[in-house]
Amino acid sequence: DVKVTQSSRYLVKRTGEKVFLECVQDMDHENMFWYRQDPGLGLRLIYFSYDVKMKEKGDIPEGYSVSREKKERFSLILESASTNQTSMYLCASSLTENYGYTFGSGTRLTVV
Amino acid sequence: GDSVTQMEGPVTLSEEAFLTINCTYTATGYPSLFWYVQYPGEGLQLLLKATKADDKGSNKGFEATYRKETTSFHLEKGSVQVSDSAVYFCALSDQRGSYIPTFGRGTSLIVHP
Repeated sequence: DVKVTQSSRYLVKRTGEKVFLECVQDMDHENMFWYRQDPGLGLRLIYFSYDVKMKEKGDIPEGYSVSREKKERFSLILESASTNQTSMYLCASSLTENYGYTFGSGTRLTVV
Repeated sequence: GDSVTQMEGPVTLSEEAFLTINCTYTATGYPSLFWYVQYPGEGLQLLLKATKADDKGSNKGFEATYRKETTSFHLEKGSVQVSDSAVYFCALSDQRGSYIPTFGRGTSLIVHP
């Protein structure tokens, strides 16, 4: 089975800090994604990547950046954390659009 | 653009009851359809999928049939258990090349003993 591993389950950061959320997949998937999930808003796509060093903005990229230096790793960066970025962050990977996604367990980030 | 509409929850059932969670979609191409499940505090897990019309996806007693004529992919289970309590997401991926699936808002299921 494909595994997607997110480095932290829970994270508490201070306003203004630079925050790194790491995601690693172990099955050579081309496509990787970062979502945030908030009550009543469903899943919202932040960024995605379909190849190493390639990245595309999703629906809500403001305040975030990403890095994909290796195929298996996709990092989400909060340049200067703010309280409105308190959320559950979900990483996912996929082989093709028909294959379905494999999600990580999520990182619950609290910015204080 | 593509969209997915799910019935709003929460859906509250007693153990062993029959479950239906409705999902309808709009898509310009020929989408693949998916159901994901999210247990409390976890990420989403792929539950089942169907890639063409009239296909039936099934897993863990859940099933859904891809109905092109009604643009629907309703999730059903004959007898739910307390352990099925979770949030269920319907999603589609357009086979015409977008890497990005479209998710519904999710439907919370609560099963009482």
